[in-house]
Amino acid sequence: ELKVEQNPLFLSMQEGKNYTIYCNYSTTSDRLYWYRQDPGKSLESLFVLLSNGAVKQEGRLMASLDTKARLSTLHITAAVHDLSATYFCAVDSNTGNQFYFGTGTSLTVIP
Amino acid sequence: KAGVTQTPRYLIKTRGQQVTLSCSPISGHRSVSWYQQTPGQGLQFLFEYFSETQRNKGNFPGRFSGRQFSNSRSEMNVSTLELGDSALYLCASSLGRVNEAFFGQGTRLTVV
Repeated sequence: ELKVEQNPLFLSMQEGKNYTIYCNYSTTSDRLYWYRQDPGKSLESLFVLLSNGAVKQEGRLMASLDTKARLSTLHITAAVHDLSATYFCAVDSNTGNQFYFGTGTSLTVIP
Repeated sequence: KAGVTQTPRYLIKTRGQQVTLSCSPISGHRSVSWYQQTPGQGLQFLFEYFSETQRNKGNFPGRFSGRQFSNSRSEMNVSTLELGDSALYLCASSLGRVNEAFFGQGTRLTVV
């Protein structure tokens, strides 16, 4: 079974700082997704990465994918309080729309 | 454009009962997937339907079942509820593989 590991599990950072969340997965896949979840809410799609070397940016967030290393990163630049949430990466199986989710990274941005 | 709609939003059931959850995908989306989210196990895949056919099934007991109708709406059913079935059940829809999946607000099921 495909395993997805995220680290760190918890991240507390000051506003204005930069940090990176890592997502490693165990088997070959070239489709990786990043989602955000606010407490008590559903999952909001952030990025869809569909090929090796894909890089996408939206505001203060940038995601990249290295399929050879089986690694994706979510980089946060100059964090603001509104980014506080739990971030999940998910890897698609090769058999259909079956996502394997990481454990999530709970991000708290402190003013 | 309407998003993914799940009903009901909250449910309280007693052990041994059964429950049916509903998911209406985004118009035009033919793939519907279901996930269970718990604090202990995280997000786990239940099953996926595409054009009324179950394409994938996760590692859940047979008490968990689902179906998809010709209009792409999907239901999932859990029979003989157990306390451990208490969770947030999320439904996601997409056009198909290699497409972005959009999640509904979820159904919070509490089994007492």
